[in-house]
Order: sequence, then C-alpha cells, then structure tokens
Amino acid sequence: AQSVAQPEDQVNVAEGNPLTVKCTYSVSGNPYLFWYVQYPNRGLQFLLKYITGDNLVKGSYGFEAEFNKSQTSFHLKKPSALVSDSALYFCAVRDASGGSYIPTFGRGTSLIVHP
Amino acid sequence: GAGVSQSPRYKVTKRGQDVALRCDPISGHVSLYWYRQALGQGPEFLTYFNYEAQQDKSGLPNDRFSAERPEGSISTLTIQRTEQRDSAMYRCASTGGANTEAFFGQGTRLTVV
Repeated sequence: AQSVAQPEDQVNVAEGNPLTVKCTYSVSGNPYLFWYVQYPNRGLQFLLKYITGDNLVKGSYGFEAEFNKSQTSFHLKKPSALVSDSALYFCAVRDASGGSYIPTFGRGTSLIVHP
Repeated sequence: GAGVSQSPRYKVTKRGQDVALRCDPISGHVSLYWYRQALGQGPEFLTYFNYEAQQDKSGLPNDRFSAERPEGSISTLTIQRTEQRDSAMYRCASTGGANTEAFFGQGTRLTVV
C-alpha cells in the first residue's frame, strides 16, 4: 500500500525567509509525486510534480521540490516566503509502476507566513 | 469545460434523506476520482473511473455510497439514507493521463442535520 507522511501539522516562517514543508512517502514501485495548495474555501490547486528526470522540480509561484529516492522524501521549498503563501499544503504519491492509479494524499501542513 | 465543476456547492439535508452530488470533469479527461475531505485532513479516496468503468471503489465507506459515470463524462456520487457522520467536503478530480496531475473541483460541502 502507498502512503504519504507530512510530519508537521503547521510550519511558521517569517516573510522573506526560506521555507520548507516536509513530505515522505512509501510506495512499492517508483513514485509519481505531487504538491497541491489549498486556500480557504477553495479547491486544491496543483503546484508541481515529479515524474522522472531531474530531482529538483520547479513549479508555480516560485516553489520547488527535491526528490530524494534514498530518503523517500519530496520536500517543498521556496527561497523567500510571502505572506500570501499562507495556506494548506498537501503532498501526494502515486505508484508509477502500474497497479493502483489512485493518488494518495497526506494530511496536510498549514503554512503560516508572518509579516 | 475549462475546469472541474461540482454541484451543488453546498448541500444541507436531513438525516435519512438521499443526496446526489454531481461532477463534470475537464472535457476529454479519462480518469475521474471522488475524494472526501474532513476538516483539517487530507483528501481520502472514495472511488475512481476510467471512462465509464468504475475501476476501484474500495474507498466507499459502506453500501449506502455509490457512484456512476454512465457516459464516461459526468459522474454522480449518491449517498442513501444519509447520516450525520457523512457530513464532509466531497471533492471530485479528473486527470488526462497516467502521469499527469489531478485537477480538482471546488467541492460540495455536505451537512447532514
């Protein structure tokens, strides 16, 4: 079975500082990995994905994530946080080796960026 | 359409009533997923379709829940004899291919009173 762990319920960072939101995964085959953001009263919006190739993936709004196979991690990063980045962030994994085509989501991490 | 559309956005129903939630995916998207999201939690898988075929319904909590996608486009999630514990945000998503991201609708907030 595949799973995602987001070990932090909440991450606090000052505006202008770098941010990291952690994600680790478990999947039997190779992973497809995704990050989504959810603003209040909105649906989930896609940020970025890792399918294959370069381990550093760049996405929307200046976010990036690094795939680390040995640590089974896919942490979300941004060099300089904005107050407007404050939202709920979800990591998701799918098994790229076939079988289940169902993305499994983590429980989410609330990012709070302080002015 | 331009995005995934769900209706209604909000539904309040009395315990014991049946409800039908609708999802209109992005045109041409093969796969359609239903998730349920409790407050402060991540989306929890319910069921998914490729075209009109229901591929996996292992996430449906019990036999009061059912879903269909008869023409491979619009899908309906039906909950019979609703209970208070069914109250949640129900989200629909569609994807265009095996390695593509899921596009989510705004969700339907179901409240059972």
